[in-house]
Amino acid sequence: DTAVSQTPKYLVTQMGNDKSIKCEQNLGHDTMYWYKQDSKKFLKIMFSYNNKELIINETVPNRFSPKSPDKAHLNLHINSLELGDSAVYFCASSLIRDSPWETQYFGPGTRLLVL
Amino acid sequence: SQQGEEDPQALSIQEGENATMNCSYKTSINNLQWYRQNSGRGLVHLILIRSNEREKHSGRLRVTLDTSKKSSSLLITASRAADTASYFCATDGGGGADGLTFGKGTHLIIQP
Repeated sequence: DTAVSQTPKYLVTQMGNDKSIKCEQNLGHDTMYWYKQDSKKFLKIMFSYNNKELIINETVPNRFSPKSPDKAHLNLHINSLELGDSAVYFCASSLIRDSPWETQYFGPGTRLLVL
Repeated sequence: SQQGEEDPQALSIQEGENATMNCSYKTSINNLQWYRQNSGRGLVHLILIRSNEREKHSGRLRVTLDTSKKSSSLLITASRAADTASYFCATDGGGGADGLTFGKGTHLIIQP
């Protein structure tokens, strides 16, 4: 069974479009995250959500908005896509909030290409 | 600013040899984790070492942590072709809910 899944796996779209990436975890975890991996493979935290509460937002443009319909899902909606948004986006989850000991489990990634 | 810095950026060794990767970080941490990423795939957690631990083993993996030098090393013994991947260190400077800060990774190639 897939622990953390993301859809779509690949997303090619035009500048200016609005798109969403979905993430689901079946691990019963409390906290979910979105990371962006750029072309140089550098991973950067974007958001984390716990019990439908946004915990952090690391200088991400407000064109990006996380939406969590329930504890098992954290979707990423992107408005007015720009060329610089092209990257691989990873969803992750962990069990306990505010615990420094928790491993994060990552999804397979969504490869976004903005033309 | 980037927290973890892996060294070297790329490493190519023969199958059966040991591979050592290093990671340096800048701020205080609660724990340091190592992840592996196969080409085109997501990250897989390998091992977590707490700030009060100095060494940890898991199978063919050995991780050390020196908080005085703000550095960690990952040793993979008896490497296999399947170990070919990128390896990232990640630090958790605050609570777990702050997310992890990753380095740029070491790309390891195991030559058969």
